[in-house]
Amino acid sequence: EVQLLESGGGLVQPGGSLRLSCAASGFTFSTYAMNWVRQAPGKGLEWVSTIDSSGGATYYPASVKGRFTISRDNSKNTLYLQMNSLRAEDTALYYCSKDPRTYGSGTYSFDYWGQGTLVTVSS
Amino acid sequence: QLVLTQSPSASASLGASVKLTCTLSSGHSGYGIAWHQQQPEKGPRFLMKLNSDGSHTKGDGIPDRFSGSSSGAERYLTISSLQSEDEADYYCQTWGPGIVVFGGGTKLTVL
Repeated sequence: EVQLLESGGGLVQPGGSLRLSCAASGFTFSTYAMNWVRQAPGKGLEWVSTIDSSGGATYYPASVKGRFTISRDNSKNTLYLQMNSLRAEDTALYYCSKDPRTYGSGTYSFDYWGQGTLVTVSS
Repeated sequence: QLVLTQSPSASASLGASVKLTCTLSSGHSGYGIAWHQQQPEKGPRFLMKLNSDGSHTKGDGIPDRFSGSSSGAERYLTISSLQSEDEADYYCQTWGPGIVVFGGGTKLTVL
């Protein structure tokens, strides 16, 4: 059974940093691209980042590029999101999600999602 | 610019069928999409990947009541024999070179 378990959320002041983790199990983590998607309170889904299976290619929307960094440790089956220079508008539930393709390249769809970890940016 | 448009809300009666629509922006009618369901207070769940020709691949455990179809730039999700647990937000999602786009979501109310 595929499981994605996010952690690391919390309350942080504007301008601060936070690192999220996503522990994956139930599939061969190292062969799938992974993603982060967020959802602000009462709002829709917003894509945050994608990383390919090796960690060699990453993708971001303009809203987080230069502030957020996605990475992965395939030996630990764990996905990360380093968030710097946080703003109030980054307040959201952050979900980890899996690409359905083996060794897929580029951005694509998601076939499994975690339950999310809440990040609140406030003074 | 790659954009997905969804109606904010829809409603249908218990046991009936409903067809939700997701519209691709001009010039992108050949794109495939995915449909995701988000029940209240839960994480999203992948329903299916839907191609421009209407063929689709469903996620694990998705009932036959859920089906997809396509026409031009429109992508549809049809839910038949509506049940109370189908009351949820439904998001369409697509992708392009280096980007992922979500529609604004449709809130489905089961009457």
